[in-house]
Amino acid sequence: AQSVTQPDIHITVSEGASLELRCNYSYGATPYLFWYVQSPGQGLQLLLKYFSGDTLVQGIKGFEAEFKRSQSSFNLRKPSVHWSDAAEYFCAVGAHGSGNTGKLIFGQGTTLQVKP
Amino acid sequence: EAGVAQSPRYKIIEKRQSVAFWCNPISGHATLYWYQQILGQGPKLLIQFQNNGVVDDSQLPKDRFSAERLKGVDSTLKIQPAKLEDSAVYLCASSLRGVGADTQYFGPGTRLTVL
Repeated sequence: AQSVTQPDIHITVSEGASLELRCNYSYGATPYLFWYVQSPGQGLQLLLKYFSGDTLVQGIKGFEAEFKRSQSSFNLRKPSVHWSDAAEYFCAVGAHGSGNTGKLIFGQGTTLQVKP
Repeated sequence: EAGVAQSPRYKIIEKRQSVAFWCNPISGHATLYWYQQILGQGPKLLIQFQNNGVVDDSQLPKDRFSAERLKGVDSTLKIQPAKLEDSAVYLCASSLRGVGADTQYFGPGTRLTVL
């Protein structure tokens, strides 16, 4: 069965510092992979997604993520964090092939706090 | 382009009462999803519609939850009777075709508190 693990429940970084949020997935083939961000009281917004090709994916707001098949990982990175990046971040996996209905399995989320 | 609309934004009810949520997806999107997000967890898919047909309702507690998408546009999700453990944010999302690479666009959610 598909699953997603985000090992860090809560991360605090200083404004201007670099950021890496970890995501590990379990899936029998190459999955579709997504990162979403959720600000308080709002719905989820897509940051970036991977479904084929270049394993380094660029997203909105200066975020990028790298798909590493050997490690079953899809970590999210940003070189310099801004105070407005404080939010909850979710990694999600979707299915290819006959199960390709667009269904997403989400991780439990990582809350990012940004210190001034 | 208008986003996914949901109402109400907040709802407080007592256990054993009923409640309904409404969702209007992005115009032209064939696929509509309802997710349940319990505090501290990621969203969990409850039901997926393709136009007005159900694609996946495997995780919908059918003894108390029901959903419909008449005319393949907007949708309602109902809980009857509610339990304490139904307290959560209910998110509606839509996508163009309902395939794996599609982006799902989420509404702001309805926060339900069951007392």
